[in-house]
Amino acid sequence: GDSVTQMEGPVTLSEEACLTINCTYTATGYPSLFWYVQYPGEGLQLLLKATKADDKGSNKGFEATYRKETTSFHLEKGSVQVSDSAVYFCALSTTQGGSEKLVFGKGTKLTVNP
Amino acid sequence: DTGVSQNPRHKITKRGQNVTFRCDPISEHNRLYWYRQTLGQGPEFLTYFQNEAQLEKSRLLSDRFSAERPKGSFSTLEIQRTEQGDSAMYLCASSPSSYPNGYTFGSGTRLTVV
Repeated sequence: GDSVTQMEGPVTLSEEACLTINCTYTATGYPSLFWYVQYPGEGLQLLLKATKADDKGSNKGFEATYRKETTSFHLEKGSVQVSDSAVYFCALSTTQGGSEKLVFGKGTKLTVNP
Repeated sequence: DTGVSQNPRHKITKRGQNVTFRCDPISEHNRLYWYRQTLGQGPEFLTYFQNEAQLEKSRLLSDRFSAERPKGSFSTLEIQRTEQGDSAMYLCASSPSSYPNGYTFGSGTRLTVV
């Protein structure tokens, strides 16, 4: 079945460091890809998305490019801030059964130190 | 509109008791989803409603679980005869019909079965 594998954490960085969180997927058909972020004590928030190959999603300085050839959707940010500390989830959307349910990776916890 | 609302935020119950959670989606969203998230894992799909119709249920949703969405508005998730393995965060999400836009998640209900 469809699955998402993302880089295991936790990841600890200093402020202004570069961030890459790897995400690869296995899916039938052509899924849409998402990154969600979960801040402490809060629900998941959509960070960015890409709906087809070579699309680049971006938001709040984060970027990810849908790479069909490598089945990847790595999350990147050039300069992280303390406020970026959160858990990041890669997900794909599958339309099997018409429900458009999301399949998530296990999450990567990011801590940014001042 | 304040987003997806879930109540209660926390629930502690004794093993064997029944519990019910409520989700109020964004008013114009006709799709509603329930997910379960255990510690250190990504959310896992439980069930999906389009308006009042429950169109898909995961194998994770045992016979002790039941979900309803009367009149296509709010939804309830009931767990009967709770077990310690039911301890998790239960997340509700809603989305409009247009695809793919990702979901809006609520903050979740954290269930602890003692």
